[in-house]
Amino acid sequence: QVQLVQSGAEVKKPGASVKVSCKASGYSFIDYDFTWVRQAPGQGLEWMGWISPYNGYTNYAPKLQGRFTMTTDTSTSTAYMELTGLRSDDTAIYYCAKNTNPNSPFRYFDNWGQGTLVTVSS
Amino acid sequence: DIQMTQSPSSLSASVGDRVTITCRASQSISSSLNWYQQKLRTAPKVLIYGASRLQSGVPSRFSGSRSGTDFTLTISSLQPEDFATYYCQQSYTTPYTFGQGTKLEIK
Repeated sequence: QVQLVQSGAEVKKPGASVKVSCKASGYSFIDYDFTWVRQAPGQGLEWMGWISPYNGYTNYAPKLQGRFTMTTDTSTSTAYMELTGLRSDDTAIYYCAKNTNPNSPFRYFDNWGQGTLVTVSS
Repeated sequence: DIQMTQSPSSLSASVGDRVTITCRASQSISSSLNWYQQKLRTAPKVLIYGASRLQSGVPSRFSGSRSGTDFTLTISSLQPEDFATYYCQQSYTTPYTFGQGTKLEIK
C-alpha cells in the first residue's frame, strides 16, 4: 500500500533553514508528482508547490518563491522541501502528498504523509 | 490567484442530519474542485474529486455537485465519525487554493 513517511519535528531560530523529507513506498515513485501543503496552528491549508520526480519540474506558490525549494531523490524514493529565511509565521505542520496520475484529467492529492511540525522561535 | 470561499465556517449538527457545505470560486474552474476531510491532528483525506466523483473507499453518504462556480458537499446522514473539518480545493490552475474550511461539530 502507498505510504509517505515524513521526518520528525524541528525547532528552528528565525533566519535559519529547515529541510523536511518524505519517503515514499508502495508505488512507482517516479510516475507521480509530489505536492507540499502547510497548515499554521489553528489555521487552514496552504498549497506550497509541486514537483515531478520524473523530470524535476517544479511549480511554486508565488508567495514562497525564492525561499522554498523542492527536490527528489529517485534512488531512495524520497522527496524533500527546504525553506530558508524562516520567520515566526512559517511555524506550521508541513505535509507532503502524492498527486494523482499526471495523465488523468483529475488532479488531487490522494495520499498524504503524517505531517512534520516546524516551529520557528527565538 | 483564484479565491475559494467556503460557507459556513462552522456548523453544528446531529447524527442522522443531512448537511450541506458550499464553496464558491472567484472565477470559472470548470469541475476542477476537490473536497477533503481533516480530523484533529491528522492529515487531510480526499472525499470527492472532479466536483462530483467519489474517491474509492469513501462512504456513499458523501456526494458533491456543481452549479457554475458554486460547489456543494453533501453528507446525507451524518455519522459520528464525520465530525471533522472540511476543505474545498481548486486544481484548475496554480497556485492551487483551498477554502478556509468548515468545522462540523456535534450539536
